[in-house]
Amino acid sequence: GQQLNQSPQSMFIQEGEDVSMNCTSSSIFNTWLWYKQDPGEGPVLLIALYKAGELTSNGRLTAQFGITRKDSFLNISASIPSDVGIYFCAGLNSGGSNYKLTFGKGTLLTVNP
Amino acid sequence: KAGVTQTPRYLIKTRGQQVTLSCSPISGHRSVSWYQQTPGQGLQFLFEYFSETQRNKGNFPGRFSGRQFSNSRSEMNVSTLELGDSALYLCASSRLGAGELFFGEGSRLTVL
Repeated sequence: GQQLNQSPQSMFIQEGEDVSMNCTSSSIFNTWLWYKQDPGEGPVLLIALYKAGELTSNGRLTAQFGITRKDSFLNISASIPSDVGIYFCAGLNSGGSNYKLTFGKGTLLTVNP
Repeated sequence: KAGVTQTPRYLIKTRGQQVTLSCSPISGHRSVSWYQQTPGQGLQFLFEYFSETQRNKGNFPGRFSGRQFSNSRSEMNVSTLELGDSALYLCASSRLGAGELFFGEGSRLTVL
């Protein structure tokens, strides 16, 4: 089946630093999504991307849908302690009645105040 | 508006038992998906329901089943529990199932 390779697996950074993480796939997707999961909570949608080449921002977060439709990246600028959590990418091919998301294994982000 | 509600939040079972988890989607959302989350495997898709019909199914054994009611509420059942079924089970709802999933806080199952 489809698999997403998300990297890095974990990051330990200082407050104020910028962060970059990415996802790659051997298959194409027509939607890319980025989620964040806090401890003890379910994932929360951060950014959704629907078009190849699309660059979208949400506050300090910026994500891009790769031109090949096989990759996406997420940047966080000027990190703060509450950015701590697990970030997941997810790809979707919504053809017919198929609405199954495929998730990456996550990037664990730790921010040192 | 109220988010996705999952019950129970925590439960402990023993091998061989069965368990039923419940999910109430966001009002107006007709699609409900279930995911299993474990440290080793990440988020694995179980199944998705839309208007009481199972539209998609992941690669899990038949011990895992689900259903959706006319009010869009959903349940999933795991029979003959195994130690490896210990996980966080997440339910997510969306209006049409088209990507923008809203997750509940999950039901954490421990099998002893």
